[in-house]
Amino acid sequence: EAGVAQSPRYKIIEKRQSVAFWCNPISGHATLYWYQQILGQGPKLLIQFQNNGVVDDSQLPKDRFSAERLKGVDSTLKIQPAKLEDSAVYLCASSLGLSAGELFFGEGSRLTVL
Amino acid sequence: KNEVEQSPQNLTAQEGEFITINCSYSVGISALHWLQQHPGGGIVSLFMLSSGKKKHGRLIATINIQEKHSSLHITASHPRDSAVYICAVRVNFGNEKLTFGTGTRLTIIP
Repeated sequence: EAGVAQSPRYKIIEKRQSVAFWCNPISGHATLYWYQQILGQGPKLLIQFQNNGVVDDSQLPKDRFSAERLKGVDSTLKIQPAKLEDSAVYLCASSLGLSAGELFFGEGSRLTVL
Repeated sequence: KNEVEQSPQNLTAQEGEFITINCSYSVGISALHWLQQHPGGGIVSLFMLSSGKKKHGRLIATINIQEKHSSLHITASHPRDSAVYICAVRVNFGNEKLTFGTGTRLTIIP
């Protein structure tokens, strides 16, 4: 079974530039999560989708971050414009349902903002 | 105070030692996850618990719902067990959001 796919693995940009990350969850997984993990900290939820609807985006900095999951399968997370403090690993995870089962994580996309 | 507290934050042990990592939480939960993250790597789910005890190879996870406490044990530890171990709880109200601990960095010395 294929795991959660993320790209790119690494991205270096200058502040005020934009960046987009892509995630393809495990087939059949209705719930998709984007997390931000700053070095030395635990993951912080940015946004949670159930199929193509947003369940929780309370911690998403909406002035610069956006995410979509238009067809309820893969998802993109965009940052525009990036700030230095956005340097982090962006993790995508999926699960069968909202309260069902294990979480499966992708390898993450490491963003460095200079 | 964080809703999920892990201890210790850092742990260094000799190969072969028995390892215990603790997780305490302050909210009602529907499940608790133990996750493993290797340096530069993604996160792997080790266990999902809602009661009792689970075992997989050299790893054992226990949870005491009344005491709001879980432990992850590693028997016969090996250098390849060196990683960050993260406890995450699924809070049982609303959308059952996951709340993460800050992790325990484990280093096993050969």
